[in-house]
Amino acid sequence: SAVISQKPSRDICQRGTSLTIQCQVDSQVTMMFWYRQQPGQSLTLIATANQGSEATYESGFVIDKFPISRPNLTFSTLTVSNMSPEDSSIYLCSVVSFEKLFFGSGTQLSVL
Amino acid sequence: KNEVEQSPQNLTAQEGEFITINCSYSVGISALHWLQQHPGGGIVSLFMLSSGKKKHGRLIATINIQEKHSSLHITASHPRDSAVYICAALASGSARQLTFGSGTQLTVLP
Repeated sequence: SAVISQKPSRDICQRGTSLTIQCQVDSQVTMMFWYRQQPGQSLTLIATANQGSEATYESGFVIDKFPISRPNLTFSTLTVSNMSPEDSSIYLCSVVSFEKLFFGSGTQLSVL
Repeated sequence: KNEVEQSPQNLTAQEGEFITINCSYSVGISALHWLQQHPGGGIVSLFMLSSGKKKHGRLIATINIQEKHSSLHITASHPRDSAVYICAALASGSARQLTFGSGTQLTVLP
């Protein structure tokens, strides 16, 4: 199994500021996934973070808005930049280990 | 139209009842995951299926590849089973392209 520590668990931010979310995994994994879950919606993949290369972004998500770092095989960060109220969501990181999905506990972001 | 459809959207049951949540998908898949999400956002993986049936405690998951359909069953339901249950399909040939259903909010009353 994999244990993921995600922080912060929640934050309230002002419009125009940025927030960096961290995920630490207790084992080495090749790919880490970042998801957004808007209120009442299911999960949407933002990007896949690969160690040693640039993240792969899904349609509708861009690096300038959601820069990702992946300095090693156990850690990744997602930054939500220049926030607006529309960015209010739960953000989750996820890994696949032995064919099972593991998720961080989520970051509840509210933008005022 | 979402490629992964779940039903029902909401389900309320009495403690002890047998619960079934359904998931239909339109894409070719290599695997289907069932997930449980509790209030506050935490998600737990329940099953990963590529064929047949799996059982863990009171939870049973089945998949019919030909019919592109999967079900999650909960036997002897309990209030602690109250959560959102989500199915997610992994597209064939992809390592990352998970398509999520919209979730089923289950409430089990004591």
